[in-house]
Amino acid sequence: KAGVTQTPRYLIKTRGQQVTLSCSPISGHRSVSWYQQTPGQGLQFLFEYFSETQRNKGNFPGRFSGRQFSNSRSEMNVSTLELGDSALYLCASSLGGQGIYEQYFGPGTRLTVT
Amino acid sequence: AQTVTQSQPEMSVQEAETVTLSCTYDTSESDYYLFWYKQPPSRQMILVIRQEAYKQQNATENRFSVNFQKAAKSFSLKISDSQLGDAAMYFCAYRHPDKLIFGTGTRLQVFP
Repeated sequence: KAGVTQTPRYLIKTRGQQVTLSCSPISGHRSVSWYQQTPGQGLQFLFEYFSETQRNKGNFPGRFSGRQFSNSRSEMNVSTLELGDSALYLCASSLGGQGIYEQYFGPGTRLTVT
Repeated sequence: AQTVTQSQPEMSVQEAETVTLSCTYDTSESDYYLFWYKQPPSRQMILVIRQEAYKQQNATENRFSVNFQKAAKSFSLKISDSQLGDAAMYFCAYRHPDKLIFGTGTRLQVFP
């Protein structure tokens, strides 16, 4: 079974621009979560989608948004980029639904804001 | 709010030896899950082991085992017969119900 894939793997953007990151979960997984990883703040939860609905959200400004499609693929959007948004963005998928399931991570998208 | 603390920023171990990574957490919940993840230099986060809070038996996965002390809110990871490929960042994580809360990580170095 193919793992979680994220595109693009690397991205360079300028302050003020917007960016869209994509995540394709493991086949059969209906939950997708997004995390931001930085040296200063570590791993922080952004949001989680299950069956096209946002089920949980972390403490990030409204510039960070996401969505999930009917095939469980998810996109994350960051508008009006700031230098502090430079980070590794990780996507994780799990079966979702009732019960607690392990999250399986993708390789991440390295975003650099200049 | 739940928190996860890893007090050892760096650890080192000799190949074939045993090392224990510490993790403590704070929660008022009684039912939750704990995980250890490994992040090698390639950056792909890999699940190492999981523990359900309602289970008293400590989880084991080959050379990896945990010491879960629910009352003390402690969840340490023991790596036996350490191998060079074990070198990575190790993150302890708490999950309840839908999001993972991570510790700051422990960088493990393995020396031949």
